[in-house]
Amino acid sequence: DAGITQSPRHKVTETGTPVTLRCHQTENHRYMYWYRQDPGHGLRLIHYSYGVKDTDKGEVSDGYSVSRSKTEDFLLTLESATSSQTSVYFCAIREDRGLFIDEQFFGPGTRLTVL
Amino acid sequence: SQQGEEDPQALSIQEGENATMNCSYKTSINNLQWYRQNSGRGLVHLILIRSNEREKHSGRLRVTLDTSKKSSSLLITASRAADTASYFCATAHSQGGAQKLVFGQGTRLTINP
Repeated sequence: DAGITQSPRHKVTETGTPVTLRCHQTENHRYMYWYRQDPGHGLRLIHYSYGVKDTDKGEVSDGYSVSRSKTEDFLLTLESATSSQTSVYFCAIREDRGLFIDEQFFGPGTRLTVL
Repeated sequence: SQQGEEDPQALSIQEGENATMNCSYKTSINNLQWYRQNSGRGLVHLILIRSNEREKHSGRLRVTLDTSKKSSSLLITASRAADTASYFCATAHSQGGAQKLVFGQGTRLTINP
């Protein structure tokens, strides 16, 4: 357990509503990531952060925004949820070991259903 | 897409047998990692092999990497029922200073008692 929590764990919402998912870590790691997992696609990177207020886009960033105002929290926002965003969302952190890209530690996931 | 391909998509074997999963990728990598995911849970890191390594062991796990063929394999020896899970390979890439993992689609492993 790398001290990562995600909230909520489950959410059902309607198309067009805004949704914010929260990832919280307790170990002050620099790097945080948001992925979505869908059948047949494995995990795909949405956005990531390499420090407070430092974020960048991943492979499937359209329709998503992120914010990181403090080290321990990384928020993922769906400005106007669509049915195609129904998925399981995972947050991950990575320790900062300089140039080496080391393992990531994953949270328990948030299952989001958009009706 | 840089996404890797995993083979087979599903594997069912008897307890005690060895399980082999393969992963292929398309672009150069810094390292390759294997993760396990139990149903309804997050991913758990298993083992990492760097691009200059050819083989690595961890307990009952053996990973090989062939950068010339852009492929890797994960061998689980003496399988147990508790090894039932999905297994994902992930390739690590540097891109403009960013450090990202690209995951394969996974192999669903079932160990039959």
